[in-house]
Amino acid sequence: SQTIHQWPATLVQPVGSPLSLECTVEGTSNPNLYWYRQAAGRGLQLLFYSVGIGQISSEVPQNLSASRPQDRQFILSSKKLLLSDSGFYLCAWRPIRDSYMNTEAFFGQGTRLTVV
Amino acid sequence: SQQGEEDPQALSIQEGENATMNCSYKTSINNLQWYRQNSGRGLVHLILIRSNEREKHSGRLRVTLDTSKKSSSLLITASRAADTASYFCVADSWGKLQFGAGTQVVVTP
Repeated sequence: SQTIHQWPATLVQPVGSPLSLECTVEGTSNPNLYWYRQAAGRGLQLLFYSVGIGQISSEVPQNLSASRPQDRQFILSSKKLLLSDSGFYLCAWRPIRDSYMNTEAFFGQGTRLTVV
Repeated sequence: SQQGEEDPQALSIQEGENATMNCSYKTSINNLQWYRQNSGRGLVHLILIRSNEREKHSGRLRVTLDTSKKSSSLLITASRAADTASYFCVADSWGKLQFGAGTQVVVTP
C-alpha cells in the first residue's frame, strides 16, 4: 500500500534561518507531488507542484523553493525564513492513471512551522 | 492564490439536518473534488466528480457540478456530530489542484 511521510510535525525556527521540509512517498511510482501552506482558519494555498523529476511549477513568488531530487521525494526549502512564513505546511501526492488525471490526492499529516 | 469561493464560510446545524455548501471556481477543470479536514490537521478525500458528470452520490454525500456556471455543491444528508469539520472544494486543472477557502461545519447533538 502507499504511504506518505512528512516531517517534522512541529518546527520552531528563528527569522533568517534556513528551512528544509521533506516529504517522501512509498509504494508508488511517478506520482504528482504538491506542497501547500495553510494559515490559521484559512484554506490551502498551493505553493508548488511537480509532475515528474525536475519538473516543478511554482505558484507563489516568495522566498520558498522546492526540489524533487528523486521520484518520490519532494523538498520545500528557504534560505532565510520570514515571520510571514509561519503556517501549516502540507505535502500531498496523487497517482496518475490516465492523461485526465482523475484521481484523488493523499495528504501527509503536515508540519506546523512557527517563525519567531 | 486560491481557486475560488465557498459559501457559506460557516454553517451550524443540528444532528439529523442536511448541510449544503457551495463552491465556485475560476478556470476550466477536468474534475472537481471535495475534501474534509478535522481540527486543522490532515485532509481526507470525500468525492470526485468529472467535468462531464452533473451529479454523483457516495453514501450520505451528494455532489453536483455545473461547468457552465463554474460551480459545485456538496450536500451531506442526515448529519451527525462526527461530520463536524471543514470542507473544501478543489478544482483540478489537469494536475494543478487548487483549494477553495472552505466551509466550517458544526453539527450539534
